Amino acid sequence: EAGVTQFPSHSVIEKGQTVTLRCDPISGHDNLYWYRRVMGKEIKFLLHFVKESKQDESGMPNNRFLAERTGGTYSTLKVQPAELEDSGVYFCASSQEFRLAGGRYNEQFFGPGTRLTVL
Amino acid sequence: ELKVEQNPLFLSMQEGKNYTIYCNYSTTSDRLYWYRQDPGKSLESLFVLLSNGAVKQEGRLMASLDTKARLSTLHITAAVHDLSATYFCAALKAAGNKLTFGGGTRVLVKP
Repeated sequence: EAGVTQFPSHSVIEKGQTVTLRCDPISGHDNLYWYRRVMGKEIKFLLHFVKESKQDESGMPNNRFLAERTGGTYSTLKVQPAELEDSGVYFCASSQEFRLAGGRYNEQFFGPGTRLTVL
Repeated sequence: ELKVEQNPLFLSMQEGKNYTIYCNYSTTSDRLYWYRQDPGKSLESLFVLLSNGAVKQEGRLMASLDTKARLSTLHITAAVHDLSATYFCAALKAAGNKLTFGGGTRVLVKP
């Protein structure tokens, strides 16, 4: 079974340009998450989709970031216009909740990330 | 707000020796995860710790959880070169879905 895939693996753009990152979750996973790690810092949550709906977008840094998940399959994260501080690695993860012995489990599977460099 | 602190940030290991990575979290957490990341690769889930006193072991790695102290440890026994990677702990807040990560520990095992 294919894991979470992300495209591109690397992107180098100039300040002010637009970049769109794509994430393909594991087939059948309703939950899709975006995280990012800026240089030297911890990995931080950006947002969470359940199917095509934004469940939690509390981590989105500002309105230059737009995430979509049309049809509840793949997701895109657009940065427009990009700034220097947007450089970092953007991770996508997906999960499917299941219940077992009275508990809810929702393990997130991560993609390899997209390394974004803004010059 | 849930915060996770991990230390050390960098660990240079000698093969054959034992080491521990620490992960402290600030508020009640539903569960605690440990991940491994090799350069350019996905975060690979190592352990999920669900309850106080939980201990899980896989090969040379052992993770434990003390919910009263809000502390998880990842213990490496007799380090080998293959264990060189970056290790992250992450906590999941009760009734939530977003992971809060520590800063990561970059491990380098030297022969």
